[in-house]
Amino acid sequence: ELKVEQNPLFLSMQEGKNYTIYCNYSTTSDRLYWYRQDPGKSLESLFVLLSNGAVKQEGRLMASLDTKARLSTLHITAAVHDLSATYFCAVDTSGGSNYKLTFGKGTLLTVNP
Amino acid sequence: NAGVTQTPKFQVLKTGQSMTLQCAQDMNHNSMYWYRQDPGMGLRLIYYSASEGTTDKGEVPNGYNVSRLNKREFSLRLESAAPSQTSVYFCASSTRGATYSNQPQHFGDGTRLSIL
Repeated sequence: ELKVEQNPLFLSMQEGKNYTIYCNYSTTSDRLYWYRQDPGKSLESLFVLLSNGAVKQEGRLMASLDTKARLSTLHITAAVHDLSATYFCAVDTSGGSNYKLTFGKGTLLTVNP
Repeated sequence: NAGVTQTPKFQVLKTGQSMTLQCAQDMNHNSMYWYRQDPGMGLRLIYYSASEGTTDKGEVPNGYNVSRLNKREFSLRLESAAPSQTSVYFCASSTRGATYSNQPQHFGDGTRLSIL
């Protein structure tokens, strides 16, 4: 059974600080997705990581994938309040057809002034 | 540009009632999915349809049925609702095939369902 574990599950940060969210998964996959969800809203795609060593950056967020370690990280640089949300990683176990994702439980990020 | 549209947005049912959640996408996607989201559990896949005419069980299919009506529409039915099915239900769609795996799944706004 595939397991996708995120940590921490809760993260309270001060504005301006850096932090990393970790996503570990238990089976072979080279496709990993990061999503953001604001309270009461839908999921918004942030990053698509498709190979070992993939790194994507958007603003203050940077995601990376190490398929050998079965680990993805989402790094937050100089956090701002607008980044407060729940972040999910999801692993594709369909062999590339992107029709079956397994999600982590999510990391609730709160950025305080 | 509507994307993935779910109806209704909110619903309250009594135990034992039935209802169908509707989902439609206008992105010409082959694959569609139903998830449920519960506090602290992330999203769990209920059923998915890799292409028109096919459906498969996901992680938590018990108590649900689905119908892929056509390429655009994928409905989720609760035949006899139970309080344990109180949840937020999300529909999603995606392209299919290795060539397109750089595209993420696209989600609807969700249906908030309470069963008393």
